[in-house]
Amino acid sequence: KQEVTQIPAALSVPEGENLVLNCSFTDSAIYNLQWFRQDPGKGLTSLLLIQSSQREQTSGRLNASLDKSSGRSTLYIAASQPGDSATYLCAVSSGAGSYQLTFGKGTKLSVIP
Amino acid sequence: EAQVTQNPRYLITVTGKKLTVTCSQNMNHEYMSWYRQDPGLGLRQIYYSMNVEVTDKGDVPEGYKVSRKEKRNFPLILESPSPNQTSLYFCASSYKPGGYYNEQFFGPGTRLTVL
Repeated sequence: KQEVTQIPAALSVPEGENLVLNCSFTDSAIYNLQWFRQDPGKGLTSLLLIQSSQREQTSGRLNASLDKSSGRSTLYIAASQPGDSATYLCAVSSGAGSYQLTFGKGTKLSVIP
Repeated sequence: EAQVTQNPRYLITVTGKKLTVTCSQNMNHEYMSWYRQDPGLGLRQIYYSMNVEVTDKGDVPEGYKVSRKEKRNFPLILESPSPNQTSLYFCASSYKPGGYYNEQFFGPGTRLTVL
């Protein structure tokens, strides 16, 4: 059964700092990996989707990498801002037909002005 | 606007009183699913549907039912809710399970409290 782990569970950084969030998964037979952002009491907003054949994806200040063989992904946030404060979740699509999405428990990020 | 909608957004009910949470998407997505989110446990998949009339269990299906009679709608049914089903529920959809573009889009969530 696929398991997804995110470390650290919480992270506090000063504004302007570059930071890395980590995601690891136990079964490397994935179809894709998706990073989400969740604000308190709100739904999930998709940030980046990396297909299993890709190594990285970029969107603005965000860069996500994928190393399928080692079961790891990182989300790099450049020049962090207070508006980046949220919980970041990674999820992997695996299983027959890629219908099953397994989430990590998230990293709660606080960017201090 | 492309979106996934859920109703109601908030619901307080009592044990045993049947309820339905509706989910609708306007993106013509084949794949839809339901998740529940609990503190310390994260998001867990309840049921998913690959297309009309095709549904399957996720990780935590006990106590829930679903149906997919139309492509755009995927209601979640709690026949006899219990307090352990108090949770935040999310519906999601994606374009093409297994295909290149299968980014998941999530609804705003339904906060359910069962007394």
